Amino acid sequence: RKEVEQDPGPFNVPEGATVAFNCTYSNSASQSFFWYRQDCRKEPKLLMSVYSSGNEDGRFTAQLNRASQYISLLIRDSKLSDSATYLCVVNNDNGQNFVFGPGTRLSVLP
Amino acid sequence: EAQVTQNPRYLITVTGKKLTVTCSQNMNHEYMSWYRQDPGLGLRQIYYSMNVEVTDKGDVPEGYKVSRKEKRNFPLILESPSPNQTSLYFCASSPHIGELFFGEGSRLTVL
Repeated sequence: RKEVEQDPGPFNVPEGATVAFNCTYSNSASQSFFWYRQDCRKEPKLLMSVYSSGNEDGRFTAQLNRASQYISLLIRDSKLSDSATYLCVVNNDNGQNFVFGPGTRLSVLP
Repeated sequence: EAQVTQNPRYLITVTGKKLTVTCSQNMNHEYMSWYRQDPGLGLRQIYYSMNVEVTDKGDVPEGYKVSRKEKRNFPLILESPSPNQTSLYFCASSPHIGELFFGEGSRLTVL
């Protein structure tokens, strides 16, 4: 079993749709969690960190369920510019061991 | 401008010909790392460094070497490249616990 798993997609959604991505992780000792965004042929960039209480940044909402070892990302009112691959990232110790999920590809269609 | 710079961005080489991919960051970060990205496998960590002269193996270190003689530089060395090392490579830096800042990537093809 992979340490971090995500739906591979692709998710094809119309503009304005709400889309949710799921991620599960296997290491119960994982300490911090992130969503990164990667555009085609580009480097990953941090979208948002994920806090235990859940957090929101504009149209993006991230949630963490430690008991179920599950992380989610919700995108509301999706834009064409949201088309990218979304990577779930888990950090397992004191900052050195980042484990990436395989990514979920999103295409927002006009 | 805060950045991580990798070179070369693109390289085609032949099996067995030693090569080095350089990585430099100007953010005074302690932590630097190298990843490779392959279709269906996501990013996998090759090596990381917590500070000068401190390096450790990641998940896929075989066939690679690194060094950290200065805080800003973290070169990736392929002593004898093989075709299974054809991949997209990313260097990243980070403060002790925090966001990873990636370079633009180096696409390597080994024939």
